[in-house]
This record gives sequence, C-alpha cells and structure tokens, in this order.
Amino acid sequence: GAGVSQTPSNKVTEKGKYVELRCDPISGHTALYWYRQSLGQGPEFLIYFQGTGAADDSGLPNDRFFAVRPEGSVSTLKIQRTERGDSAVYLCASSPQVAGGPGDTQYFGPGTRLTVL
Amino acid sequence: KQEVTQIPAALSVPEGENLVLNCSFTDSAIYNLQWFRQDPGKGLTSLLLIQSSQREQTSGRLNASLDKSSGRSTLYIAASQPGDSATYLCAVKGNKLIFGTGTLLAVQP
Repeated sequence: GAGVSQTPSNKVTEKGKYVELRCDPISGHTALYWYRQSLGQGPEFLIYFQGTGAADDSGLPNDRFFAVRPEGSVSTLKIQRTERGDSAVYLCASSPQVAGGPGDTQYFGPGTRLTVL
Repeated sequence: KQEVTQIPAALSVPEGENLVLNCSFTDSAIYNLQWFRQDPGKGLTSLLLIQSSQREQTSGRLNASLDKSSGRSTLYIAASQPGDSATYLCAVKGNKLIFGTGTLLAVQP
C-alpha cells in the first residue's frame, strides 16, 4: 500500500514569508508526528497528533510554528514569518498506535526540504 | 532530559566485514528503541524495533540488542554489503521519540 507522502518535496522561500507543508499519513494510522532534521543531526520532535488533536506540541520551537490535522488524516505544518534558521528537512511519520506494543513503529515520509533565503 | 548518543559518528569498512554500531541513552524509562536507516535525500526506514521488555530483535543480517539498565543498544550487521551504506539512526521512545545523531556507514566494494 501507499506509504507516508509529503508535499512539496522542496520549498524555497524568502525570509518573512509564510509556508505550509503537507503530510499524508498511511491510511488508518491514528498517530501522526512532525520532526525537523538539520544537516548532520538526527530528527528533532516537533509535535504529534492522536486523531485530530495535538497530544504533544512541546517540540514546536516558538509560536511561528503551528500544525493542524482537522479530519484526523492529512496534516499541515504552518510556519509564519520564516527565518533563515528554519531551513531544514521537515519529516512526517505515522503509526497505527501511540505508545508501546508492536504497532508503535513509526513510518516516515521522504520529507520536505525547506530553504529560507 | 533524554539524550541519545551514537558512536562512531562515521565508519568505513570493506565489503564482507561484520560490524557493530553503538547507541547509548541516559534515561532508561523507555517504551522501546528503534533503529532506522536513512539514505541521502530520503526519509527514514525502520529496521528493527525492540520493546523495553525484550533483549534483542533480528531481521536478516541485522541483529539489535537492548540493555535498558545500562542504557545501551547495539546494531550488528553481518557480512556487510555496499548497499548497506547509509546513515543509521537509533531512537528511544518515552513520551516522544528521541533520536541520536547517527552513524554514517560506508561499505567499500
């Protein structure tokens, strides 16, 4: 079946602009996660959704970052007033359940590479 | 605060060698530990997931062990191949998934 997809694959924007990054999880997966990966680093947790609600948004760096998942499937990560330091690869993952058990494996999308000029 | 460290940061081996990648973590209160592979410009592919109650998991030429009390995991790759070249990341799951910085593996033909 289809895996996690993310669009766009690449996004170049200017400092101060607004961007939206989209994630389509695997069908039926209730949990959805966003991560940010800077060059040479491991992915850093941003936010996760259980269904439609944000169960943990403690990783969002500041209030310029916001994410939604209105129907419990597709999610959009929104970044306002982008800064050069926001440049990174934004990864999305989904899993069948939240914590513990064999269904906890997270399946990752290919990511969106965001470049802020 | 959970911290995950991977050693070595980079490794180059000739084809056919067996190798071990190391991962250590500071907080043993985890649900599970997962090993991922990341190819350049690609997302992460899950290789093995070890539940906190388990000691090891095997898949093909890969074997991952977990010693929760000492905060360590190893990924053993047998008979390495050039196609194994990638970055290998370990991640521990508590309230959230915390990743190490990865080991960049190059297998020379």
